[in-house]
Amino acid sequence: DTEVTQTPKHLVMGMTNKKSLKCEQHMGHRAMYWYKQKAKKPPELMFVYSYEKLSINESVPSRFSPECPNSSLLNLHLHALQPEDSALYLCASSQDLARLYEQYFGPGTRLTVT
Amino acid sequence: DAKTTQPNSMESNEEEPVHLPCNHSTISGTDYIHWYRQLPSQGPEYVIHGLTSNVNNRMASLAIAEDRKSSTLILHRATLRDAAVYYCILRDDTGNQFYFGTGTSLTVIP
Repeated sequence: DTEVTQTPKHLVMGMTNKKSLKCEQHMGHRAMYWYKQKAKKPPELMFVYSYEKLSINESVPSRFSPECPNSSLLNLHLHALQPEDSALYLCASSQDLARLYEQYFGPGTRLTVT
Repeated sequence: DAKTTQPNSMESNEEEPVHLPCNHSTISGTDYIHWYRQLPSQGPEYVIHGLTSNVNNRMASLAIAEDRKSSTLILHRATLRDAAVYYCILRDDTGNQFYFGTGTSLTVIP
């Protein structure tokens, strides 16, 4: 199984809502990533977890809060988002952070903030 | 940060080979060169990666210049399903850097 699953596929939320995005992989990978992708732009790295510990936070606003409850799951908690946060949120995993390992991406969650 | 430069767009006729170039003049000696592609409405998909030698897999070939300042992704026979944005990415020794460049949008003409 080389699949990364993301739920929900689509999410519409108001600026005062709290919601969460979920990502799951069962490949035994120990590195997991969140990316944000705006339309017609490349993905931008947000967070990296390595062995369930936050390894990289790319200066992401605190209204985005990542969580890695176990080695298979990665969550992104959303609170008080702005309309400019509307984007495709991609999750990825790799065997670990070593440079020779490829990343496996999920299909993404399309987020719209109203 | 090591950066990559790719043409914004390219076209290819179906069934013909496609050579997608990438410049990475600031590459360091231990950076791996990775290629990904993103089909419309999908997440990126791994294509191939290499360090110094040319690499082949079922999807493509990767040709790396001797000085490693450039590389070329080769699709041997383009199909309509190969229409996508292709990203060339450098991964450094720590594995921490994973920055996508602007990528090349490949159009395949039937």
